[in-house]
Amino acid sequence: AQTVTQSQPEMSVQEAETVTLSCTYDTSENNYYLFWYKQPPSRQMILVIRQEAYKQQNATENRFSVNFQKAAKSFSLKISDSQLGDTAMYFCAFMKPLGGSNYKLTFGKGTLLTVNP
Amino acid sequence: KAGVTQTPRYLIKTRGQQVTLSCSPISGHRSVSWYQQTPGQGLQFLFEYFSETQRNKGNFPGRFSGRQFSNSRSEMNVSTLELGDSALYLCASSRGTAGDSRFFGPGTRLTVL
Repeated sequence: AQTVTQSQPEMSVQEAETVTLSCTYDTSENNYYLFWYKQPPSRQMILVIRQEAYKQQNATENRFSVNFQKAAKSFSLKISDSQLGDTAMYFCAFMKPLGGSNYKLTFGKGTLLTVNP
Repeated sequence: KAGVTQTPRYLIKTRGQQVTLSCSPISGHRSVSWYQQTPGQGLQFLFEYFSETQRNKGNFPGRFSGRQFSNSRSEMNVSTLELGDSALYLCASSRGTAGDSRFFGPGTRLTVL
């Protein structure tokens, strides 16, 4: 069974600074997908960024980027120029193939990020 | 394009009752997944429906069931409610093809008294 581990239950950062959230996963699969989701106090789960395991290039979305280390099974999220609106719970998620177009998404326990003014 | 919608947003029930939650996916999406979120257990996968068929199921008792209609809308039913069923229930939609991103609705907050 695959697991997703987020070792930092809580983190804080000053506005405009950079912060990195860690995620490791355990799998024997070679073809899979990784995601970071953000859940602000409103509870709406928002997709931040995705990474295909077959791609060596790290994904970026504006101020959000990942450091994907496939051999180390590590998938960290870097948030640059942190903003107050980035305050949220961040979930790392792993999607494995079950056959055909059938995939299963598993989440880590989350990291609560607080951006301070 | 409208996002994923869930109804109702809040629900209060008593033990032993049953409840039905509804999820309407993004237009054109054929897959709907359901998750239970609690402070203690985090996000746990319940089941996934694709083209009116359940194709994945998590480790939940048979009291939790679901279905999907021909318009891809999905319902989740919980019978004989227990206090431990109090949670935020999230549904996510996707096109249903390989590796698709899941897009989540705002959730239904269920409180069992």
